[in-house]
This record gives sequence, C-alpha cells and structure tokens, in this order.
Amino acid sequence: NAGVTQTPKFQVLKTGQSMTLQCAQDMNHEYMSWYRQDPGMGLRLIHYSVGAGITDQGEVPNGYNVSRSTTEDFPLRLLSAAPSQTSVYFCASRPLFGAGDPYEQYFGPGTRLTVT
Amino acid sequence: SQKIEQNSEALNIQEGKTATLTCNYTNYSPAYLQWYRQDPGRGPVFLLLIRENEKEKRKERLKVTFDTTLKQSLFHITASQPADSATYLCALEEGGSQGNLIFGKGTKLSVKP
Repeated sequence: NAGVTQTPKFQVLKTGQSMTLQCAQDMNHEYMSWYRQDPGMGLRLIHYSVGAGITDQGEVPNGYNVSRSTTEDFPLRLLSAAPSQTSVYFCASRPLFGAGDPYEQYFGPGTRLTVT
Repeated sequence: SQKIEQNSEALNIQEGKTATLTCNYTNYSPAYLQWYRQDPGRGPVFLLLIRENEKEKRKERLKVTFDTTLKQSLFHITASQPADSATYLCALEEGGSQGNLIFGKGTKLSVKP
C-alpha cells in the first residue's frame, strides 16, 4: 500500500492564481481531511469528507473548495491564491468505523505552498 | 470553545533520561486523546491513543496517561535516544464531529547524546 499520497511536494503561485492540490489513498478509508500547518498555529482543519459525495467545512475553510467523487481521491482547490494561504498542507485519512484504534489518522507527506 | 495546549514549545533532555510532555485541554470532555510524532518535512505519524476510561497505556518505551479530572495527558519516553528527537503533537476529537481532530501546537523534543 502506498498509503496517503500528495502532489505536488512544492508549489509557488502568484496572487490570484488557482491550483489544485491532489490527495489519494489506497486504504479504502471513508474519512478524508485537509489540514494546513503554520508556524506557531499547529494543524488546522480546512475541509473533511466522510464518504464519496459528502464534504463539510472545518475550522478554516475560506478560500478553499473540495469535492469527493471517489473514495480514493480528495482534491483541494485554491480558487484565487492569496499570500495568507502560504502554508504546508497535509491530507489525512482514516476508517470511519473499525476495531482497535478506530480514529488513528494516516497523513500524507505534505505540500509546501508559497504564494507571492 | 475547546482548547488544547501543549505547555512547552521545546524540551531538551540528555540521552537516557525520561522525556515527559504535557497536554492540557479545556471546555471539553473527550472520549479519547491521541499522540502523534512529526519529523521535519514530513506528515504526522500516529503513536498512541488513550480512551477516557484508561488511566495509562504503554507501547515499548512510550507511556501515555490520561487524567480526566485534571484534563491532562502526559506522554513519556523512557530511555530516550537522539532518534526520538522530533515534534510531538497531541490531539483530541472535536465535540459533535465525525471524529475531526483538534491538534495542539506541538512540543519539539531534542535528545542530546
């Protein structure tokens, strides 16, 4: 299993440009989420999904869109990038239900985004 | 609103000693609490989960305690090694959510040889 994969690893955008951060998992997890991590702020939830066709907002959703057309993929779209969106973005997944430690999240390696 | 705090931004200890990291929370009674390890340039990796009815949980050199009266979890690494140097994050479930996690800001542990 590849686990959770994210592309690209690094990206530089100009203010106003749009882009999509890709996230995929091969563990058949129902729950997927996007976090951003900023110095001194910790990980903050942007959007999450509990299954294909179902998405919802987290703590900091403004400026980001998501969709979930398949169980495997959960892309994050920046419609008009702003310098305040400079951050490291992590995608994570986990099963909705299960035995053992059901809420263990599996994180991807992250995308470092700079908006100039 | 729920708050989760990790008291130390950084902790420096000598190899072989026990590292103790603290996580406090307010305005909430979580059913469980998790600890993750994050290395520079990488995503967090799950270490341990402790439930509200468990006082203590162990995994090799790691031990987590959970005191729901004090609203505090302690994370211990015994016989610490330089390879344990990393940032450690605690997380708890956001109330009323589908298991969304709220993370602390993390404690950066440095173990000196």
